[in-house]
Amino acid sequence: QQPVQSPQAVILREGEDAVINCSSSKALYSVHWYRQKHGEAPVFLMILLKGGEQKGHEKISASFNEKKQQSSLYLTASQLSYSGTYFCGTPHGGYSGGGADGLTFGKGTHLIIQP
Amino acid sequence: NAGVTQTPKFQVLKTGQSMTLQCAQDMNHEYMSWYRQDPGMGLRLIHYSVGAGITDQGEVPNGYNVSRSTTEDFPLRLLSAAPSQTSVYFCASRRAFSSYEQYFGPGTRLTVT
Repeated sequence: QQPVQSPQAVILREGEDAVINCSSSKALYSVHWYRQKHGEAPVFLMILLKGGEQKGHEKISASFNEKKQQSSLYLTASQLSYSGTYFCGTPHGGYSGGGADGLTFGKGTHLIIQP
Repeated sequence: NAGVTQTPKFQVLKTGQSMTLQCAQDMNHEYMSWYRQDPGMGLRLIHYSVGAGITDQGEVPNGYNVSRSTTEDFPLRLLSAAPSQTSVYFCASRRAFSSYEQYFGPGTRLTVT
């Protein structure tokens, strides 16, 4: 079952903050975040694992509430380069934190940053 | 490293035709997956593989076959193309155990008329 993302779209001015939410109806072992720019492939942002571990290579923060089966991505002091569509993904099989069996993605959140 | 490569970039098929979308990676990644992306639907998992000779179905496997005879290659076969298979197809790979990052190929845009 696809995770549910909200909001569907956000329009911000440069420097403003945004929060993108991701919730699942099944137990989560991990949440994976990707960003896709128009016409390009998705690019990994970070993974949040059960137990609190986070791994990523962008200056973007996120939270993972295992009990509520939710994750939120926090984009602070947004830059024009943050524009794109953000996807959260959860392991397809639900068992492995890493998603060896591929990911089930949400429908995405479109983020537009205006100068 | 070329990373994940996909061919062709664009393809137009007629209903009922068959074809193979190619995917290759040169990073020695154990795990590979195929996704399709349709407007408003996000990325949906078609098939995945955890190693050479091992494949399994994802969310939307009907109408597609895969095989993995080598670590590097993971082709996706459309058996009898239908207009509902018009989509952008992405292949992805990642290393087992040491990293969770999936690397996506540039995609193949397929139109079935």
